Amino acid sequence: AQKVTQAQTEISVVEKEDVTLDCVYETRDTTYYLFWYKQPPSGELVFLIRRNSFDEQNEISGRYSWNFQKSTSSFNFTITASQVVDSAVYFCALSEVGDTGNQFYFGTGTSLTVIP
Amino acid sequence: DGGITQSPKYLFRKEGQNVTLSCEQNLNHDAMYWYRQDPGQGLRLIYYSQIVNDFQKGDIAEGYSVSREKKESFPLTVTSAQKNPTAFYLCASSIEDAYNQPQHFGDGTRLSIL
Repeated sequence: AQKVTQAQTEISVVEKEDVTLDCVYETRDTTYYLFWYKQPPSGELVFLIRRNSFDEQNEISGRYSWNFQKSTSSFNFTITASQVVDSAVYFCALSEVGDTGNQFYFGTGTSLTVIP
Repeated sequence: DGGITQSPKYLFRKEGQNVTLSCEQNLNHDAMYWYRQDPGQGLRLIYYSQIVNDFQKGDIAEGYSVSREKKESFPLTVTSAQKNPTAFYLCASSIEDAYNQPQHFGDGTRLSIL
């Protein structure tokens, strides 16, 4: 079973529209971390945010915001007033302490295209 | 600037040939990782190293080998035993191999078969 599910494979929006990228995770641990990364066409994954399982406060950073809901095991990412530079693949990831040590699980990514 | 440098950016392998991908970091991070990325898939862990002179197999280690002789360097060798090596390879590092630490990535090496 997938530990991290990003059901949206590809999304296209017109510039200045808002867009939400969904992330659903699965874990039995009570303590874990969630991450979002951005992968622009250059290939490097850029770390965007880390959230621990005890902090359900939403976070806003400029045009980016994250909504963490333990009740639905979701950690969704919203870009407000999207720009062409936001075009990238976005990965959600889960980190937990597994049976054999720390485990880092990536979703399959959501490819976002912002059309000018 | 501190960061992770992967080289080369593009690499071509002939049948039966071993090739080595370089990964160097100047972040003074203890932990380093190698991932493979295939189209439409997430990242899959090949090998990781928590500290110098130590490394562990990840989920898809078969056909790959690594070494960690220096803290800054974690080269990956794709051996001839890896029958489907065409992929994008990403190296990452973190301050330590702890589940609360984000990983920082290089800009990848794209490997293709000739």
